[in-house]
Amino acid sequence: NAGVTQTPKFRVLKTGQSMTLLCAQDMNHEYMYWYRQDPGMGLRLIHYSVGEGTTAKGEVPDGYNVSRLKKQNFLLGLESAAPSQTSVYFCASRTGTDRETQYFGPGTRLLVL
Amino acid sequence: AQSVTQLDSHVSVSEGTPVLLRCNYSSSYSPSLFWYVQHPNKGLQLLLKYTSAATLVKGINGFEAEFKKSETSFHLTKPSAHMSDAAEYFCVVSLGRGAQKLVFGQGTRLTINP
Repeated sequence: NAGVTQTPKFRVLKTGQSMTLLCAQDMNHEYMYWYRQDPGMGLRLIHYSVGEGTTAKGEVPDGYNVSRLKKQNFLLGLESAAPSQTSVYFCASRTGTDRETQYFGPGTRLLVL
Repeated sequence: AQSVTQLDSHVSVSEGTPVLLRCNYSSSYSPSLFWYVQHPNKGLQLLLKYTSAATLVKGINGFEAEFKKSETSFHLTKPSAHMSDAAEYFCVVSLGRGAQKLVFGQGTRLTINP
């Protein structure tokens, strides 16, 4: 059981470039989440999904898009990267029954120049 | 609206001494509260959670937290700090129902001095 994995671990982008972050979970979880972590601000929710084919906006969705085409994968896209999107991105997932516990991936560190 | 405030951005203790990380919450109904730990360059790991059962919650690695409704607090404690406890700690409140979104505190960096 790998749990929650994230690809890539680290990436450097130039302003205006696009990229997709991949989150995968092998626990058959219904719910998946994307967060960003910035110094002194804890984690903030970008987008989330309550099941395959569904997505919803979180606290800071602007500049990001997501897709949940398969239950085990949750993709986070940056269409035109900006320096303000320099951050560490965490994916999390949870079951539909244990409403409280989210399982986190190891994070993706993104630097936008 | 639900929120959490971690009262200290940085706590430093000596190895073998007690640890106290403070967290106050704001919630319009009975909350679910969590403490997560993040070791350097690692993801977040759940330490413990409170979900309206016993008010004293025991977690992993000897940590525990007490839910005090009258004080709207959920402080994290450990009797004796170990060098491996050095990490960032997040107090978290759940928005409840539906997608169970989490709201994170700003984090407290715990440093352990030898």
